[in-house]
Amino acid sequence: DARVTQTPRHKVTEMGQEVTMRCQPILGHNTVFWYRQTMMQGLELLAYFRNRAPLDDSGMPKDRFSAEMPDATLATLKIQPSEPRDSAVYFCASGLEESSPLHFGNGTRLTVT
Amino acid sequence: DQQVKQNSPSLSVQEGRISILNCDYTNSMFDYFLWYKKYPAEGPTFLISISSIKDKNEDGRFTVFLNKSAKHLSLHIVPSQPGDSAVYFCAAWENAGNMLTFGGGTRLMVKP
Repeated sequence: DARVTQTPRHKVTEMGQEVTMRCQPILGHNTVFWYRQTMMQGLELLAYFRNRAPLDDSGMPKDRFSAEMPDATLATLKIQPSEPRDSAVYFCASGLEESSPLHFGNGTRLTVT
Repeated sequence: DQQVKQNSPSLSVQEGRISILNCDYTNSMFDYFLWYKKYPAEGPTFLISISSIKDKNEDGRFTVFLNKSAKHLSLHIVPSQPGDSAVYFCAAWENAGNMLTFGGGTRLMVKP
């Protein structure tokens, strides 16, 4: 059963440290999304890739966040430096084409102290 | 400004009864709508969808209704079961896939 894999599942770090979250999309999917879930905002879109090219990252704080797809099997989301307000669950999702259901990973729960 | 809104943060329903979850949107460019279900410590999973050219889509106990003039959609679960207890998100695609926007979620609790 194909699924999106995210690592790590949990990350606790101190303010100012670099955090890297990884995502392996489902093989063959050509869209990859990063979302952040907070108590107040629900699911916020951070970044969106199609065929590995970034299409939208307007939801991402540019000064500290960066998202990349080094190859079709790996998407990364980096935060440098991390801040306590970045504490949230970060989800990666992949899809076969636009306007089709996305498949989500189980998320990375990030705690910045 | 939230383009997809779920105004009820929580809903409690008795087992066997109907659950109705509501979602409103403001962007008239949305043309495809989805509902996702999320259990704790898991990612959201796709439940049901509807295209803007339809006003109803049914899949077993789940039915989604779309009222384009009111920019409103709803998810009906009949009969509700305790295993349906989860957070439900509605989401909308804009312009054949340029952006997928989620609502804030509604926590459904189905009591045995």
